Amino acid sequence: AQKITQTQPGMFVQEKEAVTLDCTYDTSDPSYGLFWYKQPSSGEMIFLIYQGSYDQQNATEGRYSLNFQKARKSANLVISASQLGDSAMYFCAMRLQGAQKLVFGQGTRLTINP
Amino acid sequence: NAGVTQTPKFQVLKTGQSMTLQCAQDMNHNSMYWYRQDPGMGLRLIYYSASEGTTDKGEVPNGYNVSRLNKREFSLRLESAAPSQTSVYFCASSGRRNSNQPQHFGDGTRLSIL
Repeated sequence: AQKITQTQPGMFVQEKEAVTLDCTYDTSDPSYGLFWYKQPSSGEMIFLIYQGSYDQQNATEGRYSLNFQKARKSANLVISASQLGDSAMYFCAMRLQGAQKLVFGQGTRLTINP
Repeated sequence: NAGVTQTPKFQVLKTGQSMTLQCAQDMNHNSMYWYRQDPGMGLRLIYYSASEGTTDKGEVPNGYNVSRLNKREFSLRLESAAPSQTSVYFCASSGRRNSNQPQHFGDGTRLSIL
């Protein structure tokens, strides 16, 4: 069965610091995709970054990068130079190849302090 | 760009009442989804439609029905609302079944059942 675990319920970081949000996953399927979404206090779900299980390089999108360690089954999100607007809930999710369902973790609430 | 549009944004119902949540996407996506988000949890899939004319159960389908009206629209119906269905409901869509396609979400419907 698929499972996503986010072990940090909340994190507090000073503005301009880098922050790493942890995500570990469990699946026996060799082909899958990993996603990170941001949910601000306004409630919408915003897609941030994607990593495929066969991708050789870590994904990057602007200030977001994904530290993908396949053997450890981890897909941590790294936000560089954090900004006040980064304060939000962050969800890690996984989707198996050919499957419809996105399986979500419980999320991490990130607070950026000025 | 509208993306995924959900109506209504807020609704309060009494136990036993029925209602339909509407969702429309303008991205020409084949697949559409309904999720629910409960406090402290990630999103869980209720129903999905892989293509026009098909619907399938997700993780938590009990108490719900869906209709894929056309390629753009996918509605979720509560026939007899129960307090356990108090939640935030998200509609999403994606272009293909490949695991690398992100799902794009609407802004959510906050539903309270009294």
